[in-house]
Amino acid sequence: GAVVSQHPSWVICKSGTSVKIECRSLDFQATTMFWYRQFPKQSLMLMATSNEGSKATYEQGVEKDKFLINHASLTLSTLTVTSAHPEDSSFYICSAPQRASYEQYFGPGTRLTVT
Amino acid sequence: QKEVEQDPGPLSVPEGAIVSLNCTYSNSAFQYFMWYRQYSRKGPELLMYTYSSGNKEDGRFTAQVDKSSKYISLFIRDSQPSDSATYLCAMGTGRRALTFGSGTRLQVQP
Repeated sequence: GAVVSQHPSWVICKSGTSVKIECRSLDFQATTMFWYRQFPKQSLMLMATSNEGSKATYEQGVEKDKFLINHASLTLSTLTVTSAHPEDSSFYICSAPQRASYEQYFGPGTRLTVT
Repeated sequence: QKEVEQDPGPLSVPEGAIVSLNCTYSNSAFQYFMWYRQYSRKGPELLMYTYSSGNKEDGRFTAQVDKSSKYISLFIRDSQPSDSATYLCAMGTGRRALTFGSGTRLQVQP
């Protein structure tokens, strides 16, 4: 299957700082990528849809000024958590659908811990 | 009512058993159906992808879709301890984000 990578896999930051998470499609181009967060023992919660060349679309209740998304190229989307707080600690996962089909592939996830 | 309903389990079976995982959905607009496996602290891994009613087999896994009943299943034959994970059903339309079930935790006992 297709490969999606995320970096970093784990990050610890202090409250008030910003953290950037990268999502890359390694062997296919993705005009759209999705960002999710997942709390322990819960399913994935869609945060936003990242669109190459245009603004991201955020789900209801997700602060767009706090979770900045930039889809810089056809293989890279970034999520920046600004002014992070302990309640932002979570598992963040991105996914990308292949162009030729609707199969969606997920990255390995990024575990964010805000102290 | 949620768009996709999935029994959260946990489901515990002995090694070698046949496992049946199920989801029901209410949105008839869904075009394709997927099953993902997620190990703890890892991203979901795509196991099966189907877009029509019927069965699709891949090794020990069989995905079944019944659009008339809005019901999908994943069967795992000869289950192994390494199959212990959370299984997520997901459904989609076009290139939109997927709609997920809540996930079923499976434990295969050696």
